[in-house]
Amino acid sequence: RKEVEQDPGPFNVPEGATVAFNCTYSNSASQSFFWYRQDCRKEPKLLMSVYSSGNEDGRFTAQLNRASQYISLLIRDSKLSDSATYLCVVASYNQGGKLIFGQGTELSVKP
Amino acid sequence: DGGITQSPKYLFRKEGQNVTLSCEQNLNHDAMYWYRQDPGQGLRLIYYSQIVNDFQKGDIAEGYSVSREKKESFPLTVTSAQKNPTAFYLCASSIVGTEETQYFGPGTRLLVL
Repeated sequence: RKEVEQDPGPFNVPEGATVAFNCTYSNSASQSFFWYRQDCRKEPKLLMSVYSSGNEDGRFTAQLNRASQYISLLIRDSKLSDSATYLCVVASYNQGGKLIFGQGTELSVKP
Repeated sequence: DGGITQSPKYLFRKEGQNVTLSCEQNLNHDAMYWYRQDPGQGLRLIYYSQIVNDFQKGDIAEGYSVSREKKESFPLTVTSAQKNPTAFYLCASSIVGTEETQYFGPGTRLLVL
């Protein structure tokens, strides 16, 4: 079983749609959680950290459920510019803070 | 402007040749990392270094070597022992103690001919 698993995708949605990505992690000692965005042929960039209380940044909402070892990312009112691959990332301090990346979920927003 | 640079952007290698990928940062970060990304997959850690003249193997270190002679530089050599070297290679850096916040370079695409 992979340490971090994401929805396989790709997700093809029209502009304005709401889309949700799911991610599960296997290491219960994981302590930090993130969503990164990666554009085609570019480096990943941090989109947002994920906190237990849930957090929101504009149209983006991230949720964490430690009991279920589950992370989600919700994008509301999707824009063409949201088209990218979204990477779920987990860090465990018992692994020296090493980042473990999911395989990514591709999103394509169409006009 | 502070940041991480990687060169070259694209690199072609003949089978059996060693090749070195460059990574330089001027962020004054102590920690640096090398990842490999294959199509449809997440990033996998090759090597990392938290201090000059010291580095540790990541999950897929076989066929790779690194050096850390300067804080700013962390070159990666892909040796002929790496059986499937064609991939996208990403370098990152962070402040020690905040390893979860890593800054990535633009990457190098290596293609073995």
